[in-house]
Amino acid sequence: AQSVTQLGSHVSVSEGALVLLRCNYSSSVPPYLFWYVQYPNQGLQLLLKYTTGATLVKGINGFEAEFKKSETSFHLTKPSAHMSDAAEYFCAVTSSGAGGGNKLTFGTGTQLKVEL
Amino acid sequence: GAGVSQSPSNKVTEKGKDVELRCDPISGHTALYWYRQSLGQGLEFLIYFQGNSAPDKSGLPSDRFSAERTGGSVSTLTIQRTQQEDSAVYLCASSLSLGGEQYFGPGTRLTVT
Repeated sequence: AQSVTQLGSHVSVSEGALVLLRCNYSSSVPPYLFWYVQYPNQGLQLLLKYTTGATLVKGINGFEAEFKKSETSFHLTKPSAHMSDAAEYFCAVTSSGAGGGNKLTFGTGTQLKVEL
Repeated sequence: GAGVSQSPSNKVTEKGKDVELRCDPISGHTALYWYRQSLGQGLEFLIYFQGNSAPDKSGLPSDRFSAERTGGSVSTLTIQRTQQEDSAVYLCASSLSLGGEQYFGPGTRLTVT
């Protein structure tokens, strides 16, 4: 069985500050890991993914995440927050397939607020 | 190109009624997934289809829920005898193949009164 834990259901940062959203996973097999973003009343948009290879993954909108097997973590970061980054972020895991396997197991989400 | 589309965008129904939710995947995508997003349960996998293979129904919460995919394209999720706990946003996703990146539709918000 796989699971994902997102620490902090709400995170607030100032515009221009570092964004750090935490994700820890549990998997008995090598995981494939994803971060999705959801804007109000919209579907999920893929930010980035880790399957194999380089552990530092760069995604869209300036976000990146680092896969750390020893810490079972896949934290999402962005050096400088913009107002437009305010949204809900979901970490997800699956275990098979070249690009994501079949069913995704999601964390409970982190609502990011960006303040002036 | 066109993304995943879902209809209706909103559905209000009375407890005990049946509802059908529709998903049009991206053209050429062979895999199709249904998820449910609710306040109490977060994002949950429901079912997926891959080509002509038998669907993985392991996430369906009860036998009131069923889904079909006709002609390897459009999918319909049916909920019979709706209950208030069925109120949620139902999300559909498709991928080029099983294991490929999943692209999500905007969802159908279901409210059971």
